[in-house]
Amino acid sequence: GAVVSQHPSWVICKSGTSVKIECRSLDFQATTMFWYRQFPKQSLMLMATSNEGSKATYEQGVEKDKFLINHASLTLSTLTVTSAHPEDSSFYICSARGGGFNEQFFGPGTRLTVL
Amino acid sequence: QKEVEQNSGPLSVPEGAIASLNCTYSDRGSQSFFWYRQYSGKSPELIMFIYSNGDKEDGRFTAQLNKASQYVSLLIRDSQPSDSATYLCAVNTSGSRLTFGEGTQLTVNP
Repeated sequence: GAVVSQHPSWVICKSGTSVKIECRSLDFQATTMFWYRQFPKQSLMLMATSNEGSKATYEQGVEKDKFLINHASLTLSTLTVTSAHPEDSSFYICSARGGGFNEQFFGPGTRLTVL
Repeated sequence: QKEVEQNSGPLSVPEGAIASLNCTYSDRGSQSFFWYRQYSGKSPELIMFIYSNGDKEDGRFTAQLNKASQYVSLLIRDSQPSDSATYLCAVNTSGSRLTFGEGTQLTVNP
């Protein structure tokens, strides 16, 4: 299977600061990357879909100005949580699709805690 | 009606038994179906995918798809304690987007 990495694996920040999370496809070119959020004991919630070189498509209810997504290359997408607040604390997971695969491969996730 | 529905469980089976996980979906146009396993505190891991009606086997895992009934299942034979996890059913509903069920928590008791 294909390998997707995320960095950092966990981050703690103060309320009001911005946090950037990186998602990389290590051994294939990801034409599409997805960002999910998961709260404890809940399922994955898709936040946005991004295609390389174009603007991300956000799901209903997700603030595009708060969750900035950049997919500048076929191996890298970034999610920036701007002006983070405690309610943004969650497990953020990216996935990638491409390289001839129909499946989505998930990164290991980033646990964000906003104090 | 939710797009993808799973029994939330928890489902508990003894070691060595068959665990049966079920999923129904609402969009008749769905073409691709996936089962992911998620251990507590970790991200989902792809176990199997199935596109055609019938059964697909991979080791101890068998996925079954019935498009007429809008039903997909996952059977785990010879269940092991290491299979204890939450199993997520995912359906490709539009484009490359996946819709996930809420997951079934499986516990395999030694």
